[in-house]
Amino acid sequence: AQSVTQLGSHVSVSEGALVLLRCNYSSSVPPYLFWYVQYPNQGLQLLLKYTSAATLVKGINGFEAEFKKSETSFHLTKPSAHMSDAAEYFCAVSEGGSQGNLIFGKGTKLSVKP
Amino acid sequence: GAVVSQHPSRVICKSGTSVKIECRSLDFQATTMFWYRQFPKQSLMLMATSNEGSKATYEQGVEKDKFLINHASLTLSTLTVTSAHPEDSSFYICSARDPGGLGAFFGQGTRLTVV
Repeated sequence: AQSVTQLGSHVSVSEGALVLLRCNYSSSVPPYLFWYVQYPNQGLQLLLKYTSAATLVKGINGFEAEFKKSETSFHLTKPSAHMSDAAEYFCAVSEGGSQGNLIFGKGTKLSVKP
Repeated sequence: GAVVSQHPSRVICKSGTSVKIECRSLDFQATTMFWYRQFPKQSLMLMATSNEGSKATYEQGVEKDKFLINHASLTLSTLTVTSAHPEDSSFYICSARDPGGLGAFFGQGTRLTVV
């Protein structure tokens, strides 16, 4: 069975600092991986996705993630945090390919300090 | 930890029939739940926000008469797809905000196939 583990339910960084949100997955088949962001009182928004093309995926708002098969990881990074990045971030893996069901991690709340 | 249970995980129905999907918060009260739909190769789309004891708030373009949402208790929200058609076949997922403010919890999702 596929699963997603997000390390750290809460991450706090200073404005301008590196953002690193960790995601590890478990999958018996080549995975499709996603990062979603949820701003307060809003629905989910897709940040980026990995679908077996380039291992370094660039998303919106300056975020990117690197797929590392050897580490079964798909960590999300941003070189310089902005106050507007404060939100909840969810990593997800698709079971059964691109049209499979999504299995989400529990989420990581990112706080950005001025 | 808090769990949101969604049922059924998969359902196949005939065109023209109605299907009800349940979303339950198992160990916490959820005054607000969200219903999402995922189209193939696309991200989740927020369909509506379900509010306990009041009418749901639908996103633009979502037919409220087709996708009936009921949030009659603090632990249960239901989505009923009425007069289903093949184009309604999709993956539906619900989520509930953690009242403690630590995040959101998602149901397992429901794969609906209308034949």
